Amino acid sequence: AQSVTQPDIHITVSEGASLELRCNYSYGATPYLFWYVQSPGQGLQLLLKYFSGDTLVQGIKGFEAEFKRSQSSFNLRKPSVHWSDAAEYFCAVNDYKLSFGAGTTVTVRA
Amino acid sequence: GAGVSQSPSNKVTEKGKDVELRCDPISGHTALYWYRQSLGQGLEFLIYFQGNSAPDKSGLPSDRFSAERTGGSVSTLTIQRTQQEDSAVYLCASSLRDAGLYTQYFGPGTRLTVL
Repeated sequence: AQSVTQPDIHITVSEGASLELRCNYSYGATPYLFWYVQSPGQGLQLLLKYFSGDTLVQGIKGFEAEFKRSQSSFNLRKPSVHWSDAAEYFCAVNDYKLSFGAGTTVTVRA
Repeated sequence: GAGVSQSPSNKVTEKGKDVELRCDPISGHTALYWYRQSLGQGLEFLIYFQGNSAPDKSGLPSDRFSAERTGGSVSTLTIQRTQQEDSAVYLCASSLRDAGLYTQYFGPGTRLTVL
């Protein structure tokens, strides 16, 4: 069965600093991987997705993620964080239904 | 175009009452999913529909939970005899097809509170 682990429950970062959120997956075949973001009281918004090909994928809001098969990882990065990036971030693997990690809450300090 | 919509946005009910939650998927999306988000359990899959059929109901927590989809469009999730542990945010998503490479688009959710 597929599963996703997000090791960091909460990350605090200064505005303008870089951000990296970790995600490890367990899946038998080529994984379809997604990152979603959830702002307070909102639904889930797709940031980016990986299906195949280039291991570095670009998403919305300046986010990117790198797929590393050897490490079973799909880490999310942003070079310079804005206060509006404060939210909860979910990594997920999809084999027709999504299996989510526990999420990482990002706090941005001024 | 219009995204996934859900109603009501908030529902407060008393223990033992029945509730119905509604989902309107993106037009043309054949796959529709229900997930539950709660503090203790995170985001959990409940059920999904391909057209009007539900090939996977494995996530429904008890027989008090049921769902249907009509006309390949609107879906209703029904919880009978609600319990306090049913309090959660219920999220609906839809995608073009029911395969891993198709993106699921989420609605804003229904926050259910059982008193």
